[in-house]
Amino acid sequence: DAGVIQSPRHEVTEMGQEVTLRCKPISGHDYLFWYRQTMMRGLELLIYFNNNVPIDDSGMPEDRFSAKMPNASFSTLKIQPSEPRDSAVYFCASAGGIRKPQHFGDGTRLSIL
Amino acid sequence: DQQVKQNSPSLSVQEGRISILNCDYTNSMFDYFLWYKKYPAEGPTFLISISSIKDKNEDGRFTVFLNKSAKHLSLHIVPSQPGDSAVYFCAATARYDSGAGSYQLTFGKGTKLSVIP
Repeated sequence: DAGVIQSPRHEVTEMGQEVTLRCKPISGHDYLFWYRQTMMRGLELLIYFNNNVPIDDSGMPEDRFSAKMPNASFSTLKIQPSEPRDSAVYFCASAGGIRKPQHFGDGTRLSIL
Repeated sequence: DQQVKQNSPSLSVQEGRISILNCDYTNSMFDYFLWYKKYPAEGPTFLISISSIKDKNEDGRFTVFLNKSAKHLSLHIVPSQPGDSAVYFCAATARYDSGAGSYQLTFGKGTKLSVIP
């Protein structure tokens, strides 16, 4: 079975540019999570969806961040405009139930210059 | 305020010996705990979990112990192998309907385990 697929694996862009991160969850999983990992704060939940509907976006740092899930097999996390402090590794995860273990993608390493 | 703490950033163990990774939590609403393993340039991988109704769960070489009164859990790896060298994250969550907020996994900052051949 294919796991969670994230793209791109690495992104380097200049401050002010729009960044779009993509995620394909495991087929049949109805929960999708976006996390950010930094040295200072560790792994933080940004937002999660259930059946394509955003349930909790309280972790989204500010209005520059937005996430969508147009269908069960695709989600995006967008940063516009990007800032150097957004540099981090962004992980997407999916789960087959609310108390089921989450399966993570390999992440997108984002560098904002 | 960190609700899940892994106070040892790193741990070195000889191959074949026991590795013990520790985790403390502060939120008394947490009732389900998980351990994840992470290799460099990969995402975290689920390892083992435990519900608060148990105090021990075992899966092969991996055993998780939960001490609710002390708000402490530990992961034991016996025997340790070089392939176990990774960063281990402890995570916890509260019941969905507990009023503690929506479902969230709260992660510790991880412990880097090095198993020396």
